Amino acid sequence: AQTVTQSQPEMSVQEAETVTLSCTYDTSENNYYLFWYKQPPSRQMILVIRQEAYKQQNATENRFSVNFQKAAKSFSLKISDSQLGDTAMYFCALDDYKLSFGAGTTVTVRA
Amino acid sequence: NAGVTQTPKFRVLKTGQSMTLLCAQDMNHEYMYWYRQDPGMGLRLIHYSVGEGTTAKGEVPDGYNVSRLKKQNFLLGLESAAPSQTSVYFCASSSSGTGYGANVLTFGAGSRLTVL
Repeated sequence: AQTVTQSQPEMSVQEAETVTLSCTYDTSENNYYLFWYKQPPSRQMILVIRQEAYKQQNATENRFSVNFQKAAKSFSLKISDSQLGDTAMYFCALDDYKLSFGAGTTVTVRA
Repeated sequence: NAGVTQTPKFRVLKTGQSMTLLCAQDMNHEYMYWYRQDPGMGLRLIHYSVGEGTTAKGEVPDGYNVSRLKKQNFLLGLESAAPSQTSVYFCASSSSGTGYGANVLTFGAGSRLTVL
């Protein structure tokens, strides 16, 4: 069974609209970290946002925000006011003393 | 401002050939990693290193060897390439290990390897 599951292989969104990417995970740890990484067509992966499990408040980075639901083991990423530069593959990752990545969701922003 | 540099970026091999991928980082990071990325499978850890002179196996180590003779370099070797090793390989580094919020990975741009 996968530790990190991204159930949406591909998503498409109109420029300036909002898109939400889902991620669920499995861990027996009480304290852990969750990440969203972005991989644009250039292939260079960069960190988008990070969440610490013991923090109730959802992390936000400019147009990117997460909905972290610890009991449900869910960590979705919301991209607001989508821009063409947001076109990329997005990976959800869990660090519970072992770093695991989901299979990725390809997001295409349409002009 | 190089970060993590991988060479080569592209390579085509024949089955049975050997090659080495080089990863270099200039951030003085202790931890370095090699991942492979395959469609529908995300990133899978091949080997990693927690410091100069150390290496450890990851999730999919078979068919690969690594060395970290210098802190800034992490080499990934394929002794006898197989078509199943066709993939995109990513090197990454971090200042701390897993279990810490500072374990943010800095990735290289990837190396696309095709084994015929």
